Amino acid sequence: QVHMVQSGPEVKKPGASVKVSCKAFGYTFTNYGVTWVRQAPGQGLEWVGWISTYENKTNYVQKFQGRVTMTTDTSTSTAYMELRSLRSDDTAVYYCAREDDWFDPWGQGTLVTVSA
Amino acid sequence: QSVLTQPPSVSGAPGQRVTISCTGSSSNIGAGYDVHWYQQLPGTAPRLLIYGDSNRPSGVPDRFSGSKSGTSASLAITGLQVEDEADYYCQSYDISLRDVVFGGGTKLTVL
Repeated sequence: QVHMVQSGPEVKKPGASVKVSCKAFGYTFTNYGVTWVRQAPGQGLEWVGWISTYENKTNYVQKFQGRVTMTTDTSTSTAYMELRSLRSDDTAVYYCAREDDWFDPWGQGTLVTVSA
Repeated sequence: QSVLTQPPSVSGAPGQRVTISCTGSSSNIGAGYDVHWYQQLPGTAPRLLIYGDSNRPSGVPDRFSGSKSGTSASLAITGLQVEDEADYYCQSYDISLRDVVFGGGTKLTVL
């Protein structure tokens, strides 16, 4: 069935970078975009950005511009999100989801902890 | 401060009906952009509950329904069950921000 599987938890120091992967199963990867959403501890959902898997076009939320890069590898049906210059307030669970205007399904989430 | 405004919490007894509002503006819901709803059970990833204002994906019980009018949307849950206790989020698109926007989330407690 259609599902997304993300990479495992990460612990990073401030200033470092993290790259989270999201592998898609059960559908033609290039027929849908992939979106990334994060959720800080005890907080709501925050959209990070989106990538078109067909043409690698991206759209990032302005607050992440210059720090985030989203890419895909169509040969393995995998999407990646790299976040650089990490700060403590980047500590959050990062989710990927298949995008078709709405988001479905979602990956299980990847906890990224930024701590000195 | 979320672009879409939801009540922080709602509650109801088993079997009752509750509604969760999602208030936007003329640059998102009022501009005609679709509203989607997600349910997040404790400790789990969000899952799609309603898409395109009022459509249920397969597997979602018909106790859940969505509607939209003007600059607001609503999620209604009838026949409340204990397992409905979760956080609920609305989502749309904002043409001024050119971004996807979420509501702040509503915690549903089943008494």
